Amino acid sequence: QVQLVESGGGVVQPGRSLRLSCAASGFSLSDYSQHWVRQAPGKGLEWVTLLSKDGRSKYYADSVEGRFSVSRDISKNTLYLEMNNLKPEDTAVYYCATQVASGYWGQGTLVTVSS
Amino acid sequence: EIILTQSPGTLSLSPGQRVTLSCKASQTVSNNYLAWYQQKPGQAPRLLIYGASTRATGVPDRFSGGGSGTDFTLTISRLEPEDFAVFYCQQYGTVPCTFGQGTKLEIK
Repeated sequence: QVQLVESGGGVVQPGRSLRLSCAASGFSLSDYSQHWVRQAPGKGLEWVTLLSKDGRSKYYADSVEGRFSVSRDISKNTLYLEMNNLKPEDTAVYYCATQVASGYWGQGTLVTVSS
Repeated sequence: EIILTQSPGTLSLSPGQRVTLSCKASQTVSNNYLAWYQQKPGQAPRLLIYGASTRATGVPDRFSGGGSGTDFTLTISRLEPEDFAVFYCQQYGTVPCTFGQGTKLEIK
């Protein structure tokens, strides 16, 4: 059964860093491109980043460009989102998802950036 | 960046009614790579439609997607009580991939 499980969320001070993980099971990450999508409390969905199927291409939303970095470890079948210089406006539930047509999403992990 | 504008913002309807949601793009969506999601409170989004008109696995056939280019629709032919939620469109043909602001469908 296909499953995506995010972890690593929590409360962090502005300017600090955090790394989110997304453990995949039931399929190999190398079979799909992967996205991170976030949702601020009470707000809509915001696309954050895309990692191509072959892992060579990475794309970011302007709001996180230069601060966030996506990567994966195929041996662990895990996707990562390294978030640096966090800002209060980065507060959100972060979801990992496979390529759109597959429809696989995790349950999300909450990141709160606050002093 | 392709901006997606969904309308209306909120709809109040009754079970059994038919509804059509709109999603308009500021530029042509490449390859009609347009998806629709349903999201209920406290849950992750659920994929309903991809490629503008292809239903995802397990999605009831009362849900249908249409349109091309810049104008897209999601139609629910006969609303069931479990259909009331927030619906989002997303274009994934051009990066940055973008979402519409959402349409809330509430029970009248």
